[in-house]
Amino acid sequence: QKEVEQNSGPLSVPEGAIASLNCTYSDRVSQSFFWYRQYSGKSPELIMSIYSNGDKEDGRFTAQLNKASQYVSLLIRDSQPSDSATYLCAVLTGGNNRLAFGKGNQVVVIP
Amino acid sequence: SAVISQKPSRDICQRGTSLTIQCQVDSQVTMMFWYRQQPGQSLTLIATANQGSEATYESGFVIDKFPISRPNLTFSTLTVSNMSPEDSSIYLCSVLVGLQPQHFGDGTRLSIL
Repeated sequence: QKEVEQNSGPLSVPEGAIASLNCTYSDRVSQSFFWYRQYSGKSPELIMSIYSNGDKEDGRFTAQLNKASQYVSLLIRDSQPSDSATYLCAVLTGGNNRLAFGKGNQVVVIP
Repeated sequence: SAVISQKPSRDICQRGTSLTIQCQVDSQVTMMFWYRQQPGQSLTLIATANQGSEATYESGFVIDKFPISRPNLTFSTLTVSNMSPEDSSIYLCSVLVGLQPQHFGDGTRLSIL
């Protein structure tokens, strides 16, 4: 089993719609979870962190965490063309601040 | 947040040669890490750079291939040794400052001919 799984293929959403991304993880004791955005040819940029069960909102982004189900999600409301990027789910795992990344989900916002 | 400068930003190298990548941070950081991102793939941690001691390598990565130095709290280097085309990747430095999440330098895009 992979440490962090993002199984959805590329996601195309019309401008203004909600993009929904999902992620599961294998390490039950993980406590810290992150979403990074990576534009083509650029390095990952942190957009959300979440540490407690429930929802965390920051602008148009909402992260959701369910530790019992080992599930993290990211919602992007009112999607804009500038949101077109690959979104990487990352989980802090192990005892040395090691980040494990999912393979990423490409989001394409269609004007 | 800390400003991370990574050099070179890109390079094209001949197989069998070695390249050293530098990561400089504008402030002291708790931890420094080196990742690899192969084409079309996600990020894989190579090692944690430990200040004043040997780096901690992840499974599948060895010191002979990826020697790492971290002489102080603001600087680290990663060397990719005896390069082959399979080493063509983006190499990323990331830092941890206190309890803040890791964030990344701009990366080094390496192509091996």
